Amino acid sequence: GAVVSQHPSRVICKSGTSVKIECRSLDFQATTMFWYRQFPKQSLMLMATSNEGSKATYEQGVEKDKFLINHASLTLSTLTVTSAHPEDSSFYICSALGLAGAGRISTDTQYFGPGTRLTVL
Amino acid sequence: GDSVTQMEGPVTLSEEAFLTINCTYTATGYPSLFWYVQYPGEGLQLLLKATKADDKGSNKGFEATYRKETTSFHLEKGSVQVSDSAVYFCALRSADMRFGAGTRLTVKP
Repeated sequence: GAVVSQHPSRVICKSGTSVKIECRSLDFQATTMFWYRQFPKQSLMLMATSNEGSKATYEQGVEKDKFLINHASLTLSTLTVTSAHPEDSSFYICSALGLAGAGRISTDTQYFGPGTRLTVL
Repeated sequence: GDSVTQMEGPVTLSEEAFLTINCTYTATGYPSLFWYVQYPGEGLQLLLKATKADDKGSNKGFEATYRKETTSFHLEKGSVQVSDSAVYFCALRSADMRFGAGTRLTVKP
């Protein structure tokens, strides 16, 4: 249980294009999903918190218009990197927080996806 | 604000050696504490957690005890294996999630 998937796992794109990354909770509903960015050999940097049906909350320094987040359902959140540039190349990881009453899923534990490696040429 | 400090790596051990990765935290409330493991090229996997003082989390031979008096949650394993080579993150959850910087462990045969 508590499986979170991300798609794609790896993407290479040209500078100036937009890339969409999907994050799905496969066997539980998630009220809240998080998007992180991880640089090589560094810890995770929280980019934004996404609640189903409402606007995402972005961390300071994260451009809302560049990193568009949509949380359309209790099992899906998407991150779109718009007009990507080489400096956006990174490992993007999502996580999901279980919904209260979702059985064996712990509501105080974030369950992480496998990550998406974005390379912008 | 809340924060997590964990020992800097990298840590290199021989197989079957004893492992300790120190983690201390600062929090205003009563956070839940976590250890996550990240294998190369993958996302984070929950290794173990503890939600209140004196709780011990354990999984796959790893253990950590929530020590409120020392605000610590040190990760230990009695006998590491090559397959334990990964990056380990200590984290806390209070109002939000805070991660330590990560400690890279390499276990040599």
